[in-house]
Parts: sequence; structure tokens; C-alpha cells
Amino acid sequence: GDSVTQTEGLVTLTEGLPVMLNCTYQTIYSNPFLFWYVQHLNESPRLLLKSFTDNKRTEHQGFHATLHKSSSSFHLQKSSAQLSDSALYYCALSESNNRIFFGDGTQLVVKP
Amino acid sequence: EAAVTQSPRSKVAVTGGKVTLSCHQTNNHDYMYWYRQDTGHGLRLIHYSYVADSTEKGDIPDGYKASRPSQENFSLILELASLSQTAVYFCASKGQTYEQYFGPGTRLTVL
Repeated sequence: GDSVTQTEGLVTLTEGLPVMLNCTYQTIYSNPFLFWYVQHLNESPRLLLKSFTDNKRTEHQGFHATLHKSSSSFHLQKSSAQLSDSALYYCALSESNNRIFFGDGTQLVVKP
Repeated sequence: EAAVTQSPRSKVAVTGGKVTLSCHQTNNHDYMYWYRQDTGHGLRLIHYSYVADSTEKGDIPDGYKASRPSQENFSLILELASLSQTAVYFCASKGQTYEQYFGPGTRLTVL
């Protein structure tokens, strides 16, 4: 079945350094939608990025990701981390309009 | 933006008791979902629904029932609450786009 793998449970870095959170997926569907959701402390998850176009960069709020179907990846990146980026980040996959599959999440901690 | 509300926002229940979590959305979305969130397990789908009076099992339905009496309302029912069901529960809704809109969550503690 469909699945999403986020290899890092926790990423800790210093403010100003680049961010890269890994996401790979498995699906038999040839045209999946990929998402990044962000959840700040004591809040609910909200959509950060989405893409279904192969090899096209998508950007929002300083973050960007590119869907690469050849490697089944959708890594989240940002050039310079801010303290306010500290949050839980979920990569997610949808192959139909019914439901999406979430990864286990990566906790990003940005320190001064 | 979609408005999804949940009640109660927090609840303490006793083992073996019945718990009902409620979700209400006001944006005419067809799809509604119940997730539980546990540290280290992310968001796991319990039940979902794409039309009133019909529900579907998600990945972890055991110990939970769901009810969708109308398009706006979706309830999660724990008939016999257990310690292992202590978690944060999120409801979400979705229209014709792929984006899910989450409610504020319910923190359930079973003692």
C-alpha cells in the first residue's frame, strides 16, 4: 500500500543555517499528490506546500520542495532557518481524492 | 478558509467509560476525517466519511466507532475507553481540492 517515510524524527540546527527535511514515498499510482503540513506547538496541522508536477519546484513562506518521481522524493528545504520555523513537519501522499497518508513527522528545532 | 470545530477541547475519561468526540464544519465539505496523534506515530487515520450516513474504516479503527449524521457533523465514539486511547484527536474536512483543514484537536486522557 501507499506509505511515506521521513527518516529524521528530530532535526536540530542553528538559526541561519539551511533546512532540509527528507521525505520519500511509495505508491503504485503514477500521479500522486505530495504535501508538507506544518504543526506548531499546541496548534493543529496546516498545509505548507503541495505538488503533483514532476520536477517542478513549489514554494511557500520561504520553504520549497520539488517532486521527483524518479526517486520518489519530496524533500522540504529552506535556505535560512528562523526560530519561528521550529515545528513538527509532516510529509503526506495522496493518490486519490479520498484520503492522504502521513509520514511519522519530523520535529524541527531551531536554536539561536 | 475552512472552519472546523471540535468539542470538547479536552476530556478526562475513566477506563471502560463511553466517550464521544464531536466535530463540526461549516464549509460544505463532503469529506471528514478522524485522526489520532501520538508522539512518534504521527497522524493516524481512524475513520473517515465522504457522505452523510456513511463511514469508512481508516488504518486503526479498532476500539472506535464513527457517526456522520449530517454533512456538517462527524463524531468519534469510544464505547469502552482504554488507557491506550489517551491521545490528541484531530478532525479534518476536505472539499474537492486535496487540502485537508484540521480542527483544533481534543486532548483525551483515559485514567
